[in-house]
Amino acid sequence: KQEVTQIPAALSVPEGENLVLNCSFTDSAIYNLQWFRQDPGKGLTSLLLIQSSQREQTSGRLNASLDKSSGRSTLYIAASQPGDSATYLCAVQGGSEKLVFGKGTKLTVNP
Amino acid sequence: DTEVTQTPKHLVMGMTNKKSLKCEQHMGHRAMYWYKQKAKKPPELMFVYSYEKLSINESVPSRFSPECPNSSLLNLHLHALQPEDSALYLCASSQVGSAEQYFGPGTRLTVT
Repeated sequence: KQEVTQIPAALSVPEGENLVLNCSFTDSAIYNLQWFRQDPGKGLTSLLLIQSSQREQTSGRLNASLDKSSGRSTLYIAASQPGDSATYLCAVQGGSEKLVFGKGTKLTVNP
Repeated sequence: DTEVTQTPKHLVMGMTNKKSLKCEQHMGHRAMYWYKQKAKKPPELMFVYSYEKLSINESVPSRFSPECPNSSLLNLHLHALQPEDSALYLCASSQVGSAEQYFGPGTRLTVT
C-alpha cells in the first residue's frame, strides 16, 4: 500500500526566503507525482506535475524534483511571498487514476 | 479553460434529506473524480469515472450515489447521511490514465 509522507508538517518563514518542502513515498512504482496548493476552505490548485520519466519541472518561482528510485520529491519555492501562504500537498499516482496524498505542509510566509 | 465548477458552494441538510452535488468541466476530460476531505486531512478518493463508466469505488457507503450522465457532468446523490459525513466534497477531472488532475472549489457539506 502506497504511503506518502510530507515533512515538515508546518513551516513559518520570513518573506524573501527560499524554502524546500519534502515529500517521500514508499512504493517507487509511480506514474507521476503532483504538487498542489490549497488555501483554507478552498479546492486544490495544481502547481506542478512530474511524470515518472522526468527529473524536475519548473513554473515561475517553483521547482519540483523527483527521485523515483529513492521515493523522494522536493518542492523549491524561491523568494517566498506572503501570498504563498497555504497548505502544500504532494500526491502520487500509481497503476490507476487514484491519487494518494500526503498530509500536507502548512506554509506561513511572514511579511 | 482549465476550470472545474461545483454547485452548490455550501449545503446544509438533515439526515432524512435527499440532495445532489453537481460538478461540470468543459476541458474534454474523460476521467472524473469525487473526493472527500475532512478538516485538516488530505483528500480521500471516493469514486472514479472513466469514459462515463464507474471504474473505482473506494468502498463508499451506499448513501452516496454517483452518476455521470455525460462526459462533462458528474453528480453525487446524497441520501440519509450521517453527521460524520460533513466535509468538503471535491470534484476533479483529467485525461484518462497518467494525467494531471484539475480540482473544483468544492462543496462544503454540513449534515445536521
